Amino acid sequence: DIQLTQSPSSLSASVGDRVTIACRAGQNISNYLNWYQQTPGKAPKLLIYATSSLQSGVPSRFSGSGSATHFTLNITSLHPEDFATYYCQQSHSSPPTFGQGTKVDIK
Amino acid sequence: QVQLQQWGAGLLKPSETLSLTCAVDGGSFGNSYWTWIRQSPGRGLEWIGEINRVGSTDYNPSFKSRVTISLDTSKNQFSLKLTSLTAADTAFYYCARNLGWLAYNWFDPWGPGTLVTVSS
Repeated sequence: DIQLTQSPSSLSASVGDRVTIACRAGQNISNYLNWYQQTPGKAPKLLIYATSSLQSGVPSRFSGSGSATHFTLNITSLHPEDFATYYCQQSHSSPPTFGQGTKVDIK
Repeated sequence: QVQLQQWGAGLLKPSETLSLTCAVDGGSFGNSYWTWIRQSPGRGLEWIGEINRVGSTDYNPSFKSRVTISLDTSKNQFSLKLTSLTAADTAFYYCARNLGWLAYNWFDPWGPGTLVTVSS
């Protein structure tokens, strides 16, 4: 299975901050990488697919980049509703696997 | 817009069989794959397996000997059975649609989740 490692595991930030979350793949996964947001008590929600394509309805303050083994999720200006846990997921090889998550909480 | 609703027993005993069903509202099975994923504090998010509208399945080898995913096209529903449960199977279980093409696949939308607890 392809291992995905996210960093940091958690971070504290303020409303208006820029946040960057990294996802490193254990092998080259091209750009087969997706990002999800999960708030407490809810299912994960798709934010970005194929590394950098924004899912319909997702605010443009979210963006993704990267290739091969290194990927990032950027939030340009944190809004109160962005405090959540974020997961990366690869679809390069079966089984699809997820990162362990990055929790963004309020400083 | 497709929405998923899911249900099933939430408290089971070791060695019993988990049975969950997911209903696809607002659309048909189409050309998508329909997926089960679980989440636990110790193991994170795990893909269990999926099925398409003609019944072709793909399972995570970690579950392969215990898992069956099936579908009922007349009801727009698909189901998960997981046998020989242990405490390690305690988790939130989600159904989801697998969208995309070729190797570009992503999960959207997700069902609300069902907490399954395995305890004697």
